[in-house]
Amino acid sequence: GQNIDQPTEMTATEGAIVQINCTYQTSGFNGLFWYQQHAGEAPTFLSYNVLDGLEEKGRFSSFLSRSKGYSYLLLKELQMKDSASYLCAVPSGNTPLVFGKGTRLSVIA
Amino acid sequence: GAVVSQHPSWVICKSGTSVKIECRSLDFQATTMFWYRQFPKQSLMLMATSNEGSKATYEQGVEKDKFLINHASLTLSTLTVTSAHPEDSSFYICSARDLLSGGSYNEQFFGPGTRLTVL
Repeated sequence: GQNIDQPTEMTATEGAIVQINCTYQTSGFNGLFWYQQHAGEAPTFLSYNVLDGLEEKGRFSSFLSRSKGYSYLLLKELQMKDSASYLCAVPSGNTPLVFGKGTRLSVIA
Repeated sequence: GAVVSQHPSWVICKSGTSVKIECRSLDFQATTMFWYRQFPKQSLMLMATSNEGSKATYEQGVEKDKFLINHASLTLSTLTVTSAHPEDSSFYICSARDLLSGGSYNEQFFGPGTRLTVL
C-alpha cells in the first residue's frame, strides 16, 4: 500500500514563493502526481514525476527524490486563485490514485 | 485533454430513496473507472474500482449492496446510492483512465463531481 504525508495547512503571501512537501512510502513506485483541488471542485492535474529532479511548468515546479521518498511542489509568484488544496498521490502499478489528506494553501494579500 | 462528465452535478433527495450518478468519458474509452467520496475538508477516499463488463471492486468498509456500481460500456459507469441516509451526504467524484493513452503513467481524469444532500 501507500503512505503519504503532507502538511495540513500552509499560508503564504500573494507574490511570494511557497514549497509544499510530500513524503511517501510505497511498495512499488510508478511515479508521483500532484493535483490541485479548489473547494467543491474535482482535482485537476498539475504534474507527474517519475525521474529524480525538478520539472518546471510555468509558475509551478515539482521535484522528486526517489531514494528519499520525497517530493515538493513549488509555486512561484503566488496569486489569490492559488488558494486551494494540493494533493500528492503515488500509485502502485496500475492501482487507482490514493490521495493523502492534502495541503490546504491560503494565499493572503 | 480527456474529458469526464458527471450527472447530475448536485442532487437533493429524501432519506430512504435511491440516487443514481452517471460518469461518462466523453472523448476516450475507459475500461476502468474509479469512484471517490469526499466529506468536507477531508481528502478523497476511494470507494471502488469499476471495471467494464465485470463486477466492481470495493474498498474495505464500503458496502457493495448500498453503493451499486454498473460499468455497462467503455464510456459509462453509474453509481447508485440505495436507501440513502443523511450520512451519505457527500461529494462523489468519478475518475477514468484513457485506455489508449499509452505512455508510462496512468493519468486519471476526474469528473466535476456530484454533490449529494440527503434530507
